[in-house]
Amino acid sequence: GNSVTQMEGPVTLSEEAFLTINCTYTATGYPSLFWYVQYPGEGLQLLLKATKADDKGSNKGFEATYRKETTSFHLEKGSVQVSDSAVYFCALRLNRDDKIIFGKGTRLHILP
Amino acid sequence: DVKVTQSSRYLVKRTGEKVFLECVQDMDHENMFWYRQDPGLGLRLIYFSYDVKMKEKGDIPEGYSVSREKKERFSLILESASTNQTSMYLCASSPTVGNTQYFGPGTRLTVL
Repeated sequence: GNSVTQMEGPVTLSEEAFLTINCTYTATGYPSLFWYVQYPGEGLQLLLKATKADDKGSNKGFEATYRKETTSFHLEKGSVQVSDSAVYFCALRLNRDDKIIFGKGTRLHILP
Repeated sequence: DVKVTQSSRYLVKRTGEKVFLECVQDMDHENMFWYRQDPGLGLRLIYFSYDVKMKEKGDIPEGYSVSREKKERFSLILESASTNQTSMYLCASSPTVGNTQYFGPGTRLTVL
């Protein structure tokens, strides 16, 4: 079936460290891929997305590249800030419908 | 800005009570969704709706029903609340199929 697997957290980093959160997927067809972020006490916000192979999504210093050959969509940021502390969800949507399949989420703590 | 609002941020109910969770979006979106979010399980789709008076089961519809009498409002109903329905409930909307989903802030429901 279709699924998303992302690294378990929590992930704890110091401010200005390099961040990678791994995400791999299993899907029939050619899904669109997303990263959502949930800040404390809030709902989910779309962080970035990519709709086809080799696309790179980017926003707020975060990047992720759609890698069809490795079925991956790893989230990266070169220098994290305390304000990046949140839960990050990798997700996919099959292009034939509107249902989104989410990973389990990765909690990120950034220490000052 | 797209705004999705949910009627309560926190709710405490007793086992067997009928519970209504309300969601309203102000952007004339066609599609609306209800998810529940549990630690270690990520987000799971309960029900969604493509139009007024239309509803589709998601991945975990058991124990829930929904109502969409007006385009902007999508209600989740727990006919007889049980303790295993204690969770965070998130509502989302999207303009049309294949578009970005926008999330509300969530309702944390506790069933005693």
